[in-house]
Amino acid sequence: NAGVTQTPKFQVLKTGQSMTLQCAQDMNHEYMSWYRQDPGMGLRLIHYSVGAGITDQGEVPNGYNVSRSTTEDFPLRLLSAAPSQTSVYFCASSYSASGSNEQFFGPGTRLTVL
Amino acid sequence: DAKTTQPNSMESNEEEPVHLPCNHSTISGTDYIHWYRQLPSQGPEYVIHGLTSNVNNRMASLAIAEDRKSSTLILHRATLRDAAVYYCILIWNYGGSQGNLIFGKGTKLSVKP
Repeated sequence: NAGVTQTPKFQVLKTGQSMTLQCAQDMNHEYMSWYRQDPGMGLRLIHYSVGAGITDQGEVPNGYNVSRSTTEDFPLRLLSAAPSQTSVYFCASSYSASGSNEQFFGPGTRLTVL
Repeated sequence: DAKTTQPNSMESNEEEPVHLPCNHSTISGTDYIHWYRQLPSQGPEYVIHGLTSNVNNRMASLAIAEDRKSSTLILHRATLRDAAVYYCILIWNYGGSQGNLIFGKGTKLSVKP
């Protein structure tokens, strides 16, 4: 199993540009989520999905869109990049949304918005 | 969300056991106790979790107090690779307002050769 994969690993954008961060898992997990981690800070939940076709907002959803057309993929779209979105983005998945399951994290995407 | 309290930092010698404490006095009956760690410039990594009973896996052991108000992560023989920030988190359900993995500051573990 590859686990949770994320692409790209690094990205530099100019203010106003849009892009999609890719996330995929091969563990047939129902629950997937996106977090951002700012320097010296903990994780903040952006969006999550409890299954294909179902998504919901987390703590900091503004400026981001998600979709879940398949169980495996959960892309995160930045609509119009802003410097405040400079951060490290982590995708995670777990068997279900229950706290009885562990979350598996991807390696992260380091995004810089100029 | 129920909060956890951990020491900011701890030091250990290589190949010695390490006991990382966590206090969670406001834990609810449905909260699972999770431990994750994060190495520099890497994504968080799951270590272990439990509900009421002590748990063992290939990475570590988790000792949970009888009243569940505290727990201890035990690394039986620390290696240099175990140097990381360790987070104790309470979670009953991912997603939504209860689903934030509130990592907080965690405990930075240093391992000396």
